[in-house]
Amino acid sequence: TQLLEQSPQFLSIQEGENLTVYCNSSSVFSSLQWYRQEPGEGPVLLVTVVTGGEVKKLKRLTFQFGDARKDSSLHITAAQPGDTGLYLCAGQTGANNLFFGTGTRLTVIP
Amino acid sequence: NAGVTQTPKFQVLKTGQSMTLQCAQDMNHNSMYWYRQDPGMGLRLIYYSASEGTTDKGEVPNGYNVSRLNKREFSLRLESAAPSQTSVYFCASSERGRPQHFGDGTRLSIL
Repeated sequence: TQLLEQSPQFLSIQEGENLTVYCNSSSVFSSLQWYRQEPGEGPVLLVTVVTGGEVKKLKRLTFQFGDARKDSSLHITAAQPGDTGLYLCAGQTGANNLFFGTGTRLTVIP
Repeated sequence: NAGVTQTPKFQVLKTGQSMTLQCAQDMNHNSMYWYRQDPGMGLRLIYYSASEGTTDKGEVPNGYNVSRLNKREFSLRLESAAPSQTSVYFCASSERGRPQHFGDGTRLSIL
């Protein structure tokens, strides 16, 4: 089992604040994906990072893949209530092997 | 624009009963997956099908069986439900090595 630990598990912040979510593992992944999940729905892909050290930006969200391809972070600038949700990282080790992290539940208070 | 469709959305069973969860995708993907999601544990892979006619065990296959009926459909069967199988079940599909697309889940309670 590839263990992916996310921190923090829960995060409640005020609108406009910045935050960072971490995804750590002792395993090396060929790629790392970030998903957001709304209540009652399935996870929706936000981004895939493939190269060690890679940084991708999606509007106010910045994703980074660690140099050794074992960890990743998600930084949100000026959080908005619409960012509320469960954020999941997932590491891929093969064509069909995707291991999910434990999740970070974010609440942005207006 | 359906994507991945799962039925039913909710189900309550008694211990020992059997049922089949259905999943269909309209994206012509070769690979399909079944996951369960439990609080504090993320999603865990139960079974997957890399292509029509093949199925393989994932991380937590015990107590489940699957059938890849055709390229579109992948079903998950609980032969004798147990309370430990109370969970939210997600089906997903993808092309080989590509990101997965998820359905909206089946919430299953076993009493």
